[in-house]
Amino acid sequence: DSGVTQTPKHLITATGQRVTLRCSPRSGDLSVYWYQQSLDQGLQFLIQYYNGEERAKGNILERFSAQQFPDLHSELNLSSLELGDSALYFCASSSAGFRDIQYFGAGTRLSVL
Amino acid sequence: GQQVMQIPQYQHVQEGEDFTTYCNSSTTLSNIQWYKQRPGGHPVFLIQLVKSGEVKKQKRLTFQFGEAKKNSSLHITATQTTDVGTYFCAGGTGGSYIPTFGRGTSLIVHP
Repeated sequence: DSGVTQTPKHLITATGQRVTLRCSPRSGDLSVYWYQQSLDQGLQFLIQYYNGEERAKGNILERFSAQQFPDLHSELNLSSLELGDSALYFCASSSAGFRDIQYFGAGTRLSVL
Repeated sequence: GQQVMQIPQYQHVQEGEDFTTYCNSSTTLSNIQWYKQRPGGHPVFLIQLVKSGEVKKQKRLTFQFGEAKKNSSLHITATQTTDVGTYFCAGGTGGSYIPTFGRGTSLIVHP
């Protein structure tokens, strides 16, 4: 158990809908990262938050947004969903920056039908 | 932008054979991390290398960081079925917080 909690484990929705994925980092970790993993694209970094503020942005679509709350949990919002958004979404946390060990959650599997 | 290439994409081996995956960056890295993801699981941190020419061992796993800090390798000696999974490298550069993952090498071990 990595100590990172992601909910829900599975999500099935329709095109055009909006969903929210939730992540609780390990106790004491200030950084949260979001990744998208699909078969043809590997593990793609989406966005990082550090202590409530956005620190780095990767290949995140404009339809996607995220935030980190004062209690350090984070949410990833995906809107106007398309079939191609079906993927595994991982959250990871670390104590500070990327050069620290990242601990990954079990992921949320999103299926857009 | 920074790119991290990982080869091979897949590797089938017989149990007991050795396995190596290579990671190459288009830019000089400040550090490199290796992760393992079992089928149906999530990536799990294995090791981090930060020094030029660094070599680290974990039981049957040997990790190397190139002298120029642009490539790295993971070698597994005498593979076992428990080694099955996808091995990812992730490189960082001094001026960027964005971690760049390789596409991963999927290791399949045949008993």
